[in-house]
Amino acid sequence: EDQVTQSPEALRLQEGESSSLNCSYTVSGLRGLFWYRQDPGKGPEFLFTLYSAGEEKEKERLKATLTKKESFLHITAPKPEDSATYLCAVPGGNMLTFGGGTRLMVKP
Amino acid sequence: EADIYQTPRYLVIGTGKKITLECSQTMGHDKMYWYQQDPGMELHLIHYSYGVNSTEKGDLSSESTVSRIRTEHFPLTLESARPSHTSQYLCASSELVGSPGGYTFGSGTRLTVV
Repeated sequence: EDQVTQSPEALRLQEGESSSLNCSYTVSGLRGLFWYRQDPGKGPEFLFTLYSAGEEKEKERLKATLTKKESFLHITAPKPEDSATYLCAVPGGNMLTFGGGTRLMVKP
Repeated sequence: EADIYQTPRYLVIGTGKKITLECSQTMGHDKMYWYQQDPGMELHLIHYSYGVNSTEKGDLSSESTVSRIRTEHFPLTLESARPSHTSQYLCASSELVGSPGGYTFGSGTRLTVV
């Protein structure tokens, strides 16, 4: 059975304090790993797709990396507007299996 | 820009009422999904569809029903709303599950049953 585990569940950072979010997965035959951002009361918004180990994608202060067992979302010099829940997901069958998310709070 | 629309955005309704949450997408996606999410909690899949006239129940037991008569439209219906149905309902669609971008989500319907 496909499993996706995210850690930590919650992360508090000071503005400018870089850190990383982890997404560990167990899936038979990886067909991509997806990162989403979700703001309170809204639907998740797509950030990145990674397809193979060693691949990296960047967007502003965010960089996603992928290994054979896990993915990291690195946040460099975060700002308060980066506060959100970050979700990762992998395809399993004909649907995505989501992790529980990491709730990120960046204080000024 | 997301091309999937959910209405209403917010809904407060009395116990026992029948409600339909609307979800429409203009991308021609075959696959559509309904998720239930309580504040700060995980996404729970309640229904999905792989195309017209195809509907399946998800992992989370739900008293709601869905229909898929047209590719672009995937409404969710509660025949008799209860306070336990209070939650956020998110609709999503996708082309191929592993395609770049994965799912496209709507903005959600926040349902409160009083």
